[in-house]
Amino acid sequence: QLQLQESGPGLVKPSETLSLTCTVSGDSISSSGYYRGWIRQPPGKGLEWIGSIYYSGSTSYNPSLKSRVTISVDTSKNQFSLKLSSVTAADTAIYYCARHLTWIDWGQGTLVTVSS
Amino acid sequence: EIVLTQSPVTLSLSPGERATLSCRASQSVSSYLAWYQQKSGQAPRLLIYDASNRATGIPARFSGSGSGTDFTLTISSLEPEDFAVYYCQQRSNWPITFGQGTRLEIK
Repeated sequence: QLQLQESGPGLVKPSETLSLTCTVSGDSISSSGYYRGWIRQPPGKGLEWIGSIYYSGSTSYNPSLKSRVTISVDTSKNQFSLKLSSVTAADTAIYYCARHLTWIDWGQGTLVTVSS
Repeated sequence: EIVLTQSPVTLSLSPGERATLSCRASQSVSSYLAWYQQKSGQAPRLLIYDASNRATGIPARFSGSGSGTDFTLTISSLEPEDFAVYYCQQRSNWPITFGQGTRLEIK
């Protein structure tokens, strides 16, 4: 059974880099055919796709965030990670890691607050 | 970027009634559209994929239809646990986009 678990700091200072990791169980992250990605949801608002990485290593990012986002994979740990640089209060959100192709499988989400 | 517009923003109905939620795309997404249900404090849950296929374990009262730019999620007879926020999502083109959501509330 697939499980996705986000981890990382719940509080990040403005202008710093937000770093989150998704630990995957029940699936090999190097298995073919799937994307692994990140989606966020500001409190009380809708869903925004951040970006994804394919099993081959190719990446796709939301153009609105592309200049600040890096998604990478660590196959030895069966994890993938998100880095979002130069954060502001507008980046405060619940961050979900996900596996997707035809549909999205979601982690439980983790709240990240940007505040000094 | 493909914009998904959901209507209505809020839908007020009673248990037992039929709910019809709409999702309109700014350009064709073929049948590459999914529907998710989200309850407070939870991650979204997949209901429908590829416009009309019910996900595993989803009750038969949920159905999806449409193709191209116009899609509908129908709940045939509302149960108390169905009152939540519903999102559509397209995977036809990058970036993946979501509708802004429809809140289904108890009348």
